[in-house]
Parts: sequence; structure tokens; C-alpha cells
Amino acid sequence: DSGVTQTPKHLITATGQRVTLRCSPRSGDLSVYWYQQSLDQGLQFLIQYYNGEERAKGNILERFSAQQFPDLHSELNLSSLELGDSALYFCASSVGGVSYEQYFGPGTRLTVT
Amino acid sequence: AQKITQTQPGMFVQEKEAVTLDCTYDTSDQSYGLFWYKQPSSGEMIFLIYQGSYDEQNATEGRYSLNFQKARKSANLVISASQLGDSAMYFCAMREDRDDKIIFGKGTRLHILP
Repeated sequence: DSGVTQTPKHLITATGQRVTLRCSPRSGDLSVYWYQQSLDQGLQFLIQYYNGEERAKGNILERFSAQQFPDLHSELNLSSLELGDSALYFCASSVGGVSYEQYFGPGTRLTVT
Repeated sequence: AQKITQTQPGMFVQEKEAVTLDCTYDTSDQSYGLFWYKQPSSGEMIFLIYQGSYDEQNATEGRYSLNFQKARKSANLVISASQLGDSAMYFCAMREDRDDKIIFGKGTRLHILP
């Protein structure tokens, strides 16, 4: 158990819908990272937050947004969902802003039908 | 251009043998970090080892070591005395310090044979 929690574990929704994925980092970790893992794209870095502020941005679509709250938990919002958004979404956390090691949550499996 | 290259999509290794998983990277930065992660069939991502670009010694963590050859831009993972539980997907990743983005390779699926 990495100490990072993600909810929900599984999510099935229809195209065009909007969903919110939630992540709680390990106690004491200030950074939260979001990743998307799909069969065709592999593991893609989406975005990083450090202590409430956006720190680094990867291949995140405009339909996706994220935030980190004062209690350091983070939410990833996915809107206008498409079939291609079906993937495993991981959250990871690390102590500092520059990551030396990241601890991953169990992931949220999103299926868009 | 692909920044992280893992040339071995799959490998089969006999239990108790040592394994080397290849990883080459491409960056013009001087300051960066290299990571290896393990993803078993259960799906979770497990951090294995980290090497900073300025670290002079190769990183080691138990049975894992990272063979860092900076001039060749190579960061191979070595697993000594492989075990059946080592069967998993292994990902190499790099972080460039200038933007802190982390890029993953496509992974190597390792099968340990009894």
C-alpha cells in the first residue's frame, strides 16, 4: 500500500459526460501528479500540482482540468468524454516539488461507452 | 523524437538469473533524473529506483541496481537473482529538471520462468 488513495476504482460513463476523479496523497507529500495509461498511448504525464499550485503540465487535453485543494487532495475533471478517454488514470504523490520518487495510487479505471 | 526508448518489448528469464532491462534516453539538459517503475498484473505502479544525472555512483536498492552510463545516455535496470514475483511490466522514465515533466518509455514485459 503506497499511502496514496484514489476514488473511485472503476467508473463507467457515456460519451459527452463529465466525471471527477479524486486523489489523496500520502501524508506529508505536497506534490500530486496525474497520469493516463492507455494501450495505444502508454503512460502519459498529464499535470503536476505542488502545494496547491500548478507546477508542470504534460499532455493534458483542454477538456481535462485539475486542481489541488488546501488539504492537498486533488481532483481531475474530465469533460465531454470521448471513447478514446477510456484509460487507467493514476495519481502519484511526492514530498517535494522536484520528484525523486513518486508513490502511485491504485488508479481509476475509466470506461467511456 | 522519443525521449525514452526501451527496446525490449518482452523478455523471458530463468528464475535466479540476473536480468538487465535496457533504457536509453534523449535529453540536452544537464540536470535530470531517471526512474524505474514496476507494474505487476494487478495494475499498481511501484517505484523501484532513482538516479540523478549528477550522481556519481550507480543507484542501488536491494536486488535492483541502475547501470547509469551518462555518455551513452543509458540507464539500464539490473535485477539480481530474479524471482517469480519479478514478472511484471517495467517502465523507465525521465524527468528534465527545467520543466519537471516526467516521460515514460513504452515498457518491457518481463517473464520469470520457474
